Amino acid sequence: GNSVTQMEGPVTLSEEAFLTINCTYTATGYPSLFWYVQYPGEGLQLLLKATKADDKGSNKGFEATYRKETTSFHLEKGSVQVSDSAVYFCALSDSFSGGYNKLIFGAGTRLAVHP
Amino acid sequence: DTGVSQDPRHKITKRGQNVTFRCDPISEHNRLYWYRQTLGQGPEFLTYFQNEAQLEKSRLLSDRFSAERPKGSFSTLEIQRTEQGDSAMYLCASSPGQGASGYTFGSGTRLTVV
Repeated sequence: GNSVTQMEGPVTLSEEAFLTINCTYTATGYPSLFWYVQYPGEGLQLLLKATKADDKGSNKGFEATYRKETTSFHLEKGSVQVSDSAVYFCALSDSFSGGYNKLIFGAGTRLAVHP
Repeated sequence: DTGVSQDPRHKITKRGQNVTFRCDPISEHNRLYWYRQTLGQGPEFLTYFQNEAQLEKSRLLSDRFSAERPKGSFSTLEIQRTEQGDSAMYLCASSPGQGASGYTFGSGTRLTVV
């Protein structure tokens, strides 16, 4: 079945450091890929998405490229801020699941950024 | 519209008791989803409604769980005879139609069974 694997956390960085959070997936068909972020005490928020191979999603300085050949969707940011501290979830959507979009999530990666 | 609302935010209950959670989706969204998130894990799909019809239930949703969405508006999720393994965050999301990019999640209800 479809699944998402992401790197274990926590990831601890100093402010302005470069961030990479790895995500790989297993899926039949052609899923859409997403990164969601969960700040403490808040709900999941969509950070960025990509719907087909070689698409690059970007938002708030974060980027991820849909790599079909390596089945990956790694999240990157060139210079992190303390306010980026949160849990990041990689997810895929199988648009063939009965005509609606069920999301399958990875386990999440906690990011802690220190001043 | 203030997004997806869930009530209560926190619930502590004794094992064996019944609990009910409520979700108010964004008013124009006809699709509603329930997910469960345990500590250190990503959310897992529980069930999906299109308007008032419950169209899919995960195998995670045992017979003790029931969800409704009367009149296609708010939804309730009831857990009967709660067990300690039910302790989790229960997330509700809604979307206007096809395309998961339209998902809006609520802040969740954290259930603790003691």
